[in-house]
Amino acid sequence: DAMVIQNPRYQVTQFGKPVTLSCSQTLNHNVMYWYQQKSSQAPKLLFHYYDKDFNNEADTPDNFQSRRPNTSFCFLDIRSPGLGDAAMYLCATSRDRGPYNEQFFGPGTRLTVL
Amino acid sequence: GEDVEQSLFLSVREGDSSVINCTYTDSSSTYLYWYKQEPGAGLQLLTYIFSNMDMKQDQRLTVLLNKKDKHLSLRIADTQTGDSAIYFCAESISDYKLSFGAGTTVTVRA
Repeated sequence: DAMVIQNPRYQVTQFGKPVTLSCSQTLNHNVMYWYQQKSSQAPKLLFHYYDKDFNNEADTPDNFQSRRPNTSFCFLDIRSPGLGDAAMYLCATSRDRGPYNEQFFGPGTRLTVL
Repeated sequence: GEDVEQSLFLSVREGDSSVINCTYTDSSSTYLYWYKQEPGAGLQLLTYIFSNMDMKQDQRLTVLLNKKDKHLSLRIADTQTGDSAIYFCAESISDYKLSFGAGTTVTVRA
């Protein structure tokens, strides 16, 4: 089945230790998104890739970076995780931009920062 | 505060109707959505409504949109145990960006 896959599902890191979260898709979609969702809060868009073009949200901290080496893969790098970065990180894809393009979500990676 | 607001919890008896309510702020939103998240799974688009519509029905699901009050609701008829999940309301605020609510956890009791 075509899908959005996130690895690992659970990630534990130490305060200040860099961590990378992975997302892959078999949908061949042009757009990939990263959201942060803290407990009982709305998912918040961090950034998205439109093909190879990186689009950062204005309020995304510099601590968060992303890479998209090819169509299928996208990575979220947290350079120096703080306690406040503990959250669920959701990856999503869509065929194209435009509100009529459905976003398909992966199951998320839950990040714990010790 | 959240741009999209929805109540956090709803408990409903199996076989009854569920109604989940949502208010949004961007009057220029062209699409409004309901996503469903089951335990251990990602958000899945359940249904959507275009902003020039008042109502959309899809099998057991009915979406009502009141643009004047910026109010969106999702009614699930004959609620089943498989409907237990978190339901997220979202609005399109740009050609790529969705603004989500915090989600309503629906618990279906026997």
